[in-house]
Amino acid sequence: DQQVKQNSPSLSVQEGRISILNCDYTNSMFDYFLWYKKYPAEGPTFLISISSIKDKNEDGRFTVFLNKSAKHLSLHIVPSQPGDSAVYFCAASANYGGATNKLIFGTGTLLAVQP
Amino acid sequence: ETGVTQSPTHLIKTRGQQVTLRCSSQSGHNTVSWYQQALGQGPQFIFQYYREEENGRGNFPPRFSGLQFPNYSSELNVNALELDDSALYLCASSPGTSDYNEQFFGPGTRLTVL
Repeated sequence: DQQVKQNSPSLSVQEGRISILNCDYTNSMFDYFLWYKKYPAEGPTFLISISSIKDKNEDGRFTVFLNKSAKHLSLHIVPSQPGDSAVYFCAASANYGGATNKLIFGTGTLLAVQP
Repeated sequence: ETGVTQSPTHLIKTRGQQVTLRCSSQSGHNTVSWYQQALGQGPQFIFQYYREEENGRGNFPPRFSGLQFPNYSSELNVNALELDDSALYLCASSPGTSDYNEQFFGPGTRLTVL
């Protein structure tokens, strides 16, 4: 049962344009969402997060939007740069009384930014 | 500040063998989580250790076990290896168990079971 879904395995964007990566989830108990970026031969690197009490969080070129009613979040990268080319993972967690910050990951989207 | 390190980088084992993977957490982090990433999939949570105690487990059989040491480094042990255990094993450390504690990942150990 895939609780976090990234339906686009890959995305190609021109340098300078906007990249939009999408993520859907099924578990309404999730209250915290994160995006990680992964380069080959490296571990995932935290990019940006959003709490379920917000609908938008911005950090420089990266903005995450959360639509709780649709159980959907998206990551916008503006402007896209060739160095952004990587696999992007959407992840979610639920705080079960503070016991375990277990992350549930999607399958990832490979972003290729063309110069 | 040293980040999360894992050893070995790559490992080849045969079916039925046992393997131990190691992780050194980032300085000041008392929580270590282990994830398995199969090819084409996202990382899947195996278990978490907090102050040397197991603090949550994912849907993995008991032949996956772990340890955390007083310096907060950790080991993942897998017994009776199966072909499907071939994957990238990621370790992540964090300064606590709250959702809001960012998890820092190591580069992973690539395990191949033949």
